[in-house]
Amino acid sequence: GAVVSQHPSWVICKSGTSVKIECRSLDFQATTMFWYRQFPKQSLMLMATSNEGSKATYEQGVEKDKFLINHASLTLSTLTVTSAHPEDSSFYICSARGSGLNTDTQYFGPGTRLTVL
Amino acid sequence: QKEVEQNSGPLSVPEGAIASLNCTYSDRGSQSFFWYRQYSGKSPELIMFIYSNGDKEDGRFTAQLNKASQYVSLLIRDSQPSDSATYLCAPGGGADGLTFGKGTHLIIQP
Repeated sequence: GAVVSQHPSWVICKSGTSVKIECRSLDFQATTMFWYRQFPKQSLMLMATSNEGSKATYEQGVEKDKFLINHASLTLSTLTVTSAHPEDSSFYICSARGSGLNTDTQYFGPGTRLTVL
Repeated sequence: QKEVEQNSGPLSVPEGAIASLNCTYSDRGSQSFFWYRQYSGKSPELIMFIYSNGDKEDGRFTAQLNKASQYVSLLIRDSQPSDSATYLCAPGGGADGLTFGKGTHLIIQP
């Protein structure tokens, strides 16, 4: 149990375009989903927290108008990187925690590697 | 601001020996603690979580927590080459996202 998927697993796009990343909890309902970003040789950094049906809460320094998060259902959250630039190239990882499981534990998706040319 | 300190390594351990990974944290209010393993190019996978002071064992892994010293450790017995990875410590959970340390790069030498 506690499987989280992400799509796509990798994406290459041109500078200025927008990219949408999906995060799905496959076998549980995710009351909260988190989005992290990891640059090479660095640890994961929390970008935002989203609760189903509510606006996301962004960490300091993360532009909410650039990284749009939608958590419309208990099994799906999306992150849209708008007008992506090369400095947005990173490994984006979502995690989810939910009811019916140890509610403190976060289960991570496999990640999406974004490369902006 | 929550801070998590880990020795980045690399920590080199012979196969079959015990690997000891350490982590200190700044937030005295932290109630739960997680150890994740991350292979290069992959996302983290949960190894163990611990809430109470003392030891918690799961197979070859033992987590140790000392809240008074704000210290949590992970022991890996009978280390295997497949244990070679980066180990991330993260206090937190609940409604909050996790604050990760930089991770310890563990190398198990065959």
